[in-house]
Amino acid sequence: AQSVTQLGSHVSVSEGALVLLRCNYSSSVPPYLFWYVQYPNQGLQLLLKYTSAATLVKGINGFEAEFKKSETSFHLTKPSAHMSDAAEYFCAVSSNAGGTSYGKLTFGQGTILTVHP
Amino acid sequence: EAGVTQFPSHSVIEKGQTVTLRCDPISGHDNLYWYRRVMGKEIKFLLHFVKESKQDESGMPNNRFLAERTGGTYSTLKVQPAELEDSGVYFCASSQLTGSRGNTIYFGEGSWLTVV
Repeated sequence: AQSVTQLGSHVSVSEGALVLLRCNYSSSVPPYLFWYVQYPNQGLQLLLKYTSAATLVKGINGFEAEFKKSETSFHLTKPSAHMSDAAEYFCAVSSNAGGTSYGKLTFGQGTILTVHP
Repeated sequence: EAGVTQFPSHSVIEKGQTVTLRCDPISGHDNLYWYRRVMGKEIKFLLHFVKESKQDESGMPNNRFLAERTGGTYSTLKVQPAELEDSGVYFCASSQLTGSRGNTIYFGEGSWLTVV
């Protein structure tokens, strides 16, 4: 079984400050991990994904995440927040459904990021 | 190239009525998924189609929910009769069928359902 825990349902930062959104996972198989973002009135958009290659993954809009197996973590960071980063962010782990691999996702609870001027 | 499209974007129905949500996946994507997010909770998997076949429907909450994908193209999710607890956002997603858990799953904008 898989599970994802996002620490902090709301995170608030100032424009230009570091963004850190925390994600811890539990997985019975080697995990594939994803971060999705949902901007207001839009669908889910993939930010980045870890699929067992490099542990530091770079995504769109300046975001990156580091896979740390020893800590079972996949935290999302961005060095300098922009007002346009205000959105809800979701961490997800890919499950192994029925012995085959079809990418069924288990999501965390979501973290709403607010960026102050 | 068009993304995953969902219809309707918003729907308000009375308890006991029927609603049908439609999803058009990205062209060529054989995997199609339905997810749901009820207020204040996480996004949860409902079911997964591979072409026209149901691969995994372990997340369907009860027999009031019926999903179909005739011909392996678009899919519908019918709720009959709707209950108050069915309110939420229903997301459709699709991906290519290459056997990898690492495939990107593309999501639609969601269908917001309110049952009053």
